[in-house]
Amino acid sequence: AQRVTQPEKLLSVFKGAPVELKCNYSYSGSPELFWYVQYSRQRLQLLLRHISRESIKGFTADLNKGETSFHLKKPFAQEEDSAMYYCALRPEGGSYIPTFGRGTSLIVHP
Amino acid sequence: DSGVTQTPKHLITATGQRVTLRCSPRSGDLSVYWYQQSLDQGLQFLIQYYNGEERAKGNILERFSAQQFPDLHSELNLSSLELGDSALYFCASSSTSGSNEQFFGPGTRLTVL
Repeated sequence: AQRVTQPEKLLSVFKGAPVELKCNYSYSGSPELFWYVQYSRQRLQLLLRHISRESIKGFTADLNKGETSFHLKKPFAQEEDSAMYYCALRPEGGSYIPTFGRGTSLIVHP
Repeated sequence: DSGVTQTPKHLITATGQRVTLRCSPRSGDLSVYWYQQSLDQGLQFLIQYYNGEERAKGNILERFSAQQFPDLHSELNLSSLELGDSALYFCASSSTSGSNEQFFGPGTRLTVL
């Protein structure tokens, strides 16, 4: 069975500091990985997906199959980045049964 | 609002009762997903419907059931409620059954007393 682990419940940094939100997964095949974000009083929304290899709001995430990780990174955190971040895994093929991590709350202090 | 809508926003009820949560997907989206978010379990996938038919099942209790109607809105029925059912219930929709991106609703907060 697939599993997504976000080891940090809370990550607190100062503005301008680098940020790395960790995500590790276990899955025997080739999954698709996503990061979702939920800002205060807003809906959960897709931030980025590994197949797009894009940078959104300065965030990037690289899928490391050897380490089974998909860490989310940003070189210089901004106060508006404060939010709840969820890593999610979608198994290859077949029915869509997504697995989400428990989330990491990022707080960026001024 | 052409996004995913959920009603009610808040629901307070007693143990043993039954409630129905409603979700309307984004215009044009055929697939609806239900999730339960509790403090200790995180975001748990419950069930998916696509164009009226059940497509995938996750950690959904037998006391819970769902359906998707011809107009594509969906309802999640929770019965014989227990204290542990208190959680935030999210609905999401996507255009296809296996779409990469899901669009989430604002959630319904259920409190069982």
